[in-house]
Amino acid sequence: DGGITQSPKYLFRKEGQNVTLSCEQNLNHDAMYWYRQDPGQGLRLIYYSQIVNDFQKGDIAEGYSVSREKKESFPLTVTSAQKNPTAFYLCASSIPGDYTADTQYFGPGTRLTVL
Amino acid sequence: AQSVTQPDIHITVSEGASLELRCNYSYGATPYLFWYVQSPGQGLQLLLKYFSGDTLVQGIKGFEAEFKRSQSSFNLRKPSVHWSDAAEYFCAVGARKGGGNKLTFGTGTQLKVEL
Repeated sequence: DGGITQSPKYLFRKEGQNVTLSCEQNLNHDAMYWYRQDPGQGLRLIYYSQIVNDFQKGDIAEGYSVSREKKESFPLTVTSAQKNPTAFYLCASSIPGDYTADTQYFGPGTRLTVL
Repeated sequence: AQSVTQPDIHITVSEGASLELRCNYSYGATPYLFWYVQSPGQGLQLLLKYFSGDTLVQGIKGFEAEFKRSQSSFNLRKPSVHWSDAAEYFCAVGARKGGGNKLTFGTGTQLKVEL
């Protein structure tokens, strides 16, 4: 059963701590993405990766870091430098193409709350 | 830079009534366009997408959307709404080659269905 899994569903963090959100996909997709969702602001792109061992900053990368050591996995670390990390985080994946639009498929999300 | 505007933050319709959710985009060339739906606390599910060809696109759950280049619009429609359609709807625009396969999302329209 192919899909994208994110864990945990809910995550609580104390101020000053780093925390890592997991994203795994078994769709054999090359590209993976991390978005942040806040009420009334839609989705904003944090980081994306089009191939293993390569990733690019999105629109709001400050305070976040990622790695892409395996095709299936794209973990996101929310560092203590992120000023307002409480949000809903969504991971997505797609098959990128030069001349065909890739469709992004989303995981169920992780809700991070900073206490 | 590409952008998406969803002018209606909230819409309420009666069950069985028709629905139209508005989406206007800004992009320098022919865009890739998407509509996604999100239930509370869940990830995004793709409803439909436009890449090229027929400007009237059919999607899942009885939804359709029409691409109108002259109006820079991609409005989502459904002839008869069901109570289960209550959710948040996001329009997104994607860049073609060279755009890094990034999607830009609108801020969403929250749909409430009255029984």
